[in-house]
Amino acid sequence: GAVVSQHPSRVICKSGTSVKIECRSLDFQATTMFWYRQFPKQSLMLMATSNEGSKATYEQGVEKDKFLINHASLTLSTLTVTSAHPEDSSFYICSARDPLAGIAKNIQYFGAGTRLSVL
Amino acid sequence: RKEVEQDPGPFNVPEGATVAFNCTYSNSASQSFFWYRQDCRKEPKLLMSVYSSGNEDGRFTAQLNRASQYISLLIRDSKLSDSATYLCVAQSNTGNQFYFGTGTSLTVIP
Repeated sequence: GAVVSQHPSRVICKSGTSVKIECRSLDFQATTMFWYRQFPKQSLMLMATSNEGSKATYEQGVEKDKFLINHASLTLSTLTVTSAHPEDSSFYICSARDPLAGIAKNIQYFGAGTRLSVL
Repeated sequence: RKEVEQDPGPFNVPEGATVAFNCTYSNSASQSFFWYRQDCRKEPKLLMSVYSSGNEDGRFTAQLNRASQYISLLIRDSKLSDSATYLCVAQSNTGNQFYFGTGTSLTVIP
């Protein structure tokens, strides 16, 4: 299957700092990528859909000014958590689809996730 | 009402047992369905897509019932390595959104 790389895998930061997470599609071009958040013992919740060359689409209740998404190329989307607070501590996961994958075009492939801890 | 609902379990079964998970979805226009597996503190990994005709991959069988809006996963001859959380996923009819169930926890006991 397609490979999605996410970096960093672990971040520990002080309250008030900003954290950038990168998501790359390594062997395909992804016009759309997705950012999820997962709290302990809960399911993945979609935060936003990242669209190459245009603004991201945010889910209800997700602050776009706090979670900045940039999708400047067909293989890279970034999520910046601005002025992070302890309640932002979570597991952030990105995913991407390969639109040229034929019958597999609907499958989402996930990055390894970023565990953010805000002190 | 949640888009996708699953029994969270946990399911604790002995090695070699057969175990089945069910999942229901609320949007009748949902387009595609999947089962993902998620190990503790790891990202979800695709286990299998689910087709109306039912599909099998080794010890795993998935089925979709559109009339009743449920999806099932059957695991035969359970292995210790099958221990994980199994996520049921429905894709929206627009194709862009994935709706995850809360996951069903499986522990296979020696």
